[in-house]
Amino acid sequence: EAGVTQFPSHSVIEKGQTVTLRCDPISGHDNLYWYRRVMGKEIKFLLHFVKESKQDESGMPNNRFLAERTGGTYSTLKVQPAELEDSGVYFCASSQSQGAGEKLFFGSGTQLSVL
Amino acid sequence: RKEVEQDPGPFNVPEGATVAFNCTYSNSASQSFFWYRQDCRKEPKLLMSVYSSGNEDGRFTAQLNRASQYISLLIRDSKLSDSATYLCVVRMDSSYKLIFGSGTRLLVRP
Repeated sequence: EAGVTQFPSHSVIEKGQTVTLRCDPISGHDNLYWYRRVMGKEIKFLLHFVKESKQDESGMPNNRFLAERTGGTYSTLKVQPAELEDSGVYFCASSQSQGAGEKLFFGSGTQLSVL
Repeated sequence: RKEVEQDPGPFNVPEGATVAFNCTYSNSASQSFFWYRQDCRKEPKLLMSVYSSGNEDGRFTAQLNRASQYISLLIRDSKLSDSATYLCVVRMDSSYKLIFGSGTRLLVRP
């Protein structure tokens, strides 16, 4: 069974450009999460989808970030316009249910570098 | 103050050694606790959940002290393959988001 897949694995863009990250969760997983790790900091939550609905987007840094999950399958995270401080690793994770001990499966991440 | 605090290390130990990591969390409403492992340039992977009574999985033992708000991970008989960053993670029932510590780096030398 395929795990959580993310595309691209690396992206290098210039400040002011737009970048779109994609995440394909494990098939059948209703819950999809985006996390981010910026240099020297801990991994931080960005947002949580249940199917196509945003359950919690309290971690989104600002309105330059837009996440979608049309149809409740794959998700995209768009950064527009990108700033230098957006550089980091963006992880996507999915889980089947929302139980407190529910295991999250992480993708290998997208390394974003904004120059 | 960070929500989850960990000693960044690195802990540099010989093969076969026993090593322990501690982690403290600030929010007493935290309900679920985990240790994740992250290899260099890889995604975090769940190592084990941490239960109130403590739990063991092979060479790994996790303990939770709710009164003092700390979590520990003990690794016995360290292997070279245990070299990684160990992330302490908590979650509150009111929210399903995971709150990560910055991680403790472990280096196991031959």
